[in-house]
Amino acid sequence: DADVTQTPRNRITKTGKRIMLECSQTKGHDRMYWYRQDPGLGLRLIYYSFDVKDINKGEISDGYSVSRQAQAKFSLSLESAIPNQTALYFCATSDLGGPTDTQYFGPGTRLTVL
Amino acid sequence: KNEVEQSPQNLTAQEGEFITINCSYSVGISALHWLQQHPGGGIVSLFMLSSGKKKHGRLIATINIQEKHSSLHITASHPRDSAVYICAVRSRGSTLGRLYFGRGTQLTVWP
Repeated sequence: DADVTQTPRNRITKTGKRIMLECSQTKGHDRMYWYRQDPGLGLRLIYYSFDVKDINKGEISDGYSVSRQAQAKFSLSLESAIPNQTALYFCATSDLGGPTDTQYFGPGTRLTVL
Repeated sequence: KNEVEQSPQNLTAQEGEFITINCSYSVGISALHWLQQHPGGGIVSLFMLSSGKKKHGRLIATINIQEKHSSLHITASHPRDSAVYICAVRSRGSTLGRLYFGRGTQLTVWP
């Protein structure tokens, strides 16, 4: 079974709809991240969480919100989806966050906003 | 300006060729990562480097901290190596130690 899972894997929605993307991990890691990937651009950080009580904005948090329901679960919400939020979204986890720390990525959620 | 620049953006090779992908960065780093993203979208970590050179099978990664440059080499390339290769650096000196990602290099290896 995958260590980091994301649901749904694909979603098509309309402008103005509220959307939630979910991420679960079985690695026991404290740190979780949400990224988006757009064609021709590098991964960009939306939000990150160091533990259940710690949520931080990344470089492109406008239009998004998150919830860390438990150590293993980190959800990303688009309160009112817009077409330029069409992208591939990745959840990732890491353990210590130190220099040699590796991030483990989920399989991605492809979101299309019409 | 992107903190991490990769070249080339796209690379096509014949099976068996030696491949080199380059990564240059502008921030002080504590580590550099090479990631592989397959057509299905999933991303896996290949290497983490803070100095020198690492080898795993046909893949070799090198880093020159003074020149702020890293290379990923693939020897005897194979069609299954076709993927996007992403360079990411972990910045030094911030509490997050955030990762800065390059835009990726699309590699296609033909039989």
